[in-house]
Amino acid sequence: EAGVTQFPSHSVIEKGQTVTLRCDPISGHDNLYWYRRVMGKEIKFLLHFVKESKQDESGMPNNRFLAERTGGTYSTLKVQPAELEDSGVYFCASSQDVDSPLHFGNGTRLTVT
Amino acid sequence: AQRVTQPEKLLSVFKGAPVELKCNYSYSGSPELFWYVQYSRQRLQLLLRHISRESIKGFTADLNKGETSFHLKKPFAQEEDSAMYYCALSSSGGSNYKLTFGKGTLLTVNP
Repeated sequence: EAGVTQFPSHSVIEKGQTVTLRCDPISGHDNLYWYRRVMGKEIKFLLHFVKESKQDESGMPNNRFLAERTGGTYSTLKVQPAELEDSGVYFCASSQDVDSPLHFGNGTRLTVT
Repeated sequence: AQRVTQPEKLLSVFKGAPVELKCNYSYSGSPELFWYVQYSRQRLQLLLRHISRESIKGFTADLNKGETSFHLKKPFAQEEDSAMYYCALSSSGGSNYKLTFGKGTLLTVNP
């Protein structure tokens, strides 16, 4: 099966600009998650979708971050406006149900200059 | 609040030597613990989870609630074990999606 795919693999933007990250989960996986690792810190949970609904967005750092999953397929994570501290690696993961192992994508490395 | 600590950022061993990657946690509830691994140029993937009580690629991990530890062990390290290892804890009441990760330990197995 195709794994979780994320686009782009790298993104370099200036402070104040907008960036949109995309995640395509494994086909048939209703559960989709976003995580991120900022420099020197742990990988941290951002939010969880079940189909198109946000089940848990307790990890979203602030209102500059907007995640969507229209139609319950792929998801986007938009950062607007980007700040320097948003630099890091953004991971997407999916699972068949909440008790199943998470399948991670390769991540998007975001650099804000 | 839950926390996962991996005290070693780097760990280097020789092929055939035993290896132990340390993980300690703090959590007020009943924890579910995992080890994830990321090989070079590959994605993060689940290695094992404590409730499965299984051995994957020769690795085992035992949950010690008294010491709040979940150390990962392998009796004879192989070069292909070189990777980044993350210990993680689930705080979502049995579901494993909301993981708290440690900072990771980079294991290098030398020939």
